[in-house]
Amino acid sequence: DGGITQSPKYLFRKEGQNVTLSCEQNLNHDAMYWYRQDPGQGLRLIYYSQIVNDFQKGDIAEGYSVSREKKESFPLTVTSAQKNPTAFYLCASAGHRGTGELFFGEGSRLTVL
Amino acid sequence: AQTVTQSQPEMSVQEAETVTLSCTYDTSENNYYLFWYKQPPSRQMILVIRQEAYKQQNATENRFSVNFQKAAKSFSLKISDSQLGDTAMYFCAFMRGSGSARQLTFGSGTQLTVLP
Repeated sequence: DGGITQSPKYLFRKEGQNVTLSCEQNLNHDAMYWYRQDPGQGLRLIYYSQIVNDFQKGDIAEGYSVSREKKESFPLTVTSAQKNPTAFYLCASAGHRGTGELFFGEGSRLTVL
Repeated sequence: AQTVTQSQPEMSVQEAETVTLSCTYDTSENNYYLFWYKQPPSRQMILVIRQEAYKQQNATENRFSVNFQKAAKSFSLKISDSQLGDTAMYFCAFMRGSGSARQLTFGSGTQLTVLP
């Protein structure tokens, strides 16, 4: 079945460590997105990519990095520069032509110890 | 910049009753899309309903319908015949209709609990 796969589902990190969250899609979508979700807040955009080898910062990009070497993959690295990384992270994708709908993965919960 | 406001952090409704969730937004755009997404306890985001701003007719999907008031920049969601499985966080979202960046701007969400 087509969809978006995020891994790991749960991740623990010590302060000062970088961690990478995986996002893979087999929907043949051009655009991919990373959102952060905190309690009591809506989803906030971290980075997005409209095409391979290109990506743009969203509203809260500081302390994060991404790459888009393949259409199917859009990994997110949470660096040690991110001051409050404990959160729920959601990856999404969208087709270039379509209804505007974003398709979401099941999310990754990152906890910094 | 676009903003989306959901003024009801929590709501509850009795099973089989009707409930309306509010959403307002602010934009200078004329062409855009509005969405309601549902996030159940599994945390998977699921599209509930979608509305194009240029369409005057309110969108409907089975028990879910919207009241889209473009001039008032209001986009409420009505859930009829509420079911226990409707218990979830509901997010209103805005997307610009033009430009290369198809970004969603989300409201802060409304936690809906359907009571048996």
